[in-house]
Amino acid sequence: EVQLLESGGDLLQPGGSLRLSCAASGFPFSDFAMTWVRQAPGKGLEWVSLITRSGGGPYYADSVKGRFTISRDNSKNTLYLQMNSLKPEDTALYYCAKGKGMLVENYCFDYWGPGTLVTVSS
Amino acid sequence: QSVLTQPPSVSGAPGQRVTISCTGSASTIGAGHDVHWYRQLPGVAPKLIIYGSTNRPSGVPDRFSGSKSDTSASLAITGLQAEDEADYYCQSYDSGLRGYVFGTGTKVTVL
Repeated sequence: EVQLLESGGDLLQPGGSLRLSCAASGFPFSDFAMTWVRQAPGKGLEWVSLITRSGGGPYYADSVKGRFTISRDNSKNTLYLQMNSLKPEDTALYYCAKGKGMLVENYCFDYWGPGTLVTVSS
Repeated sequence: QSVLTQPPSVSGAPGQRVTISCTGSASTIGAGHDVHWYRQLPGVAPKLIIYGSTNRPSGVPDRFSGSKSDTSASLAITGLQAEDEADYYCQSYDSGLRGYVFGTGTKVTVL
């Protein structure tokens, strides 16, 4: 059974830094792209970042480019998101999800974790 | 920013058919990129219900179907059931942004 479990969410002040983790199990982690998607309270889904199975790309939404860094440790079956220079508008539930597809341009996300909450407020 | 536009809400009586549109552009759906659909129940992570524009993952009822044409896509739900009340999102890739985009989301209400 595929399982994804995010951790690392916290309450912090603007300008702060945080690293999220996503522990994966139940599938060959190194064979699949992984992504982060966030959802602000009461709002829709916003794609954040994606990393290919070999660490390629990575790809970022314009809203986080230059501030967030996605990485993975295939030996630990873990996905990471390093978040720097955090802003109040980064407040959201952050989901990690497993990529599905043959071409990067056609990826969808077939399994999701329950999410971890990041709150940025002074 | 969302570059895929969906109606904020649709509704129907039990047993009826509803459709949700997803309007993109030449850099998203019009570029030939696949469209995928997710259902999100309150307080729960999204679940993939259509991938590759028309395909259903194992376990998703055949009441759900997807289609794509030109710069738009649609999700149809037939035989509407109370359990279908949820938020639905489309997703694709944007060649201009070099990233993935979700639709604005549609709330389905069963009357």
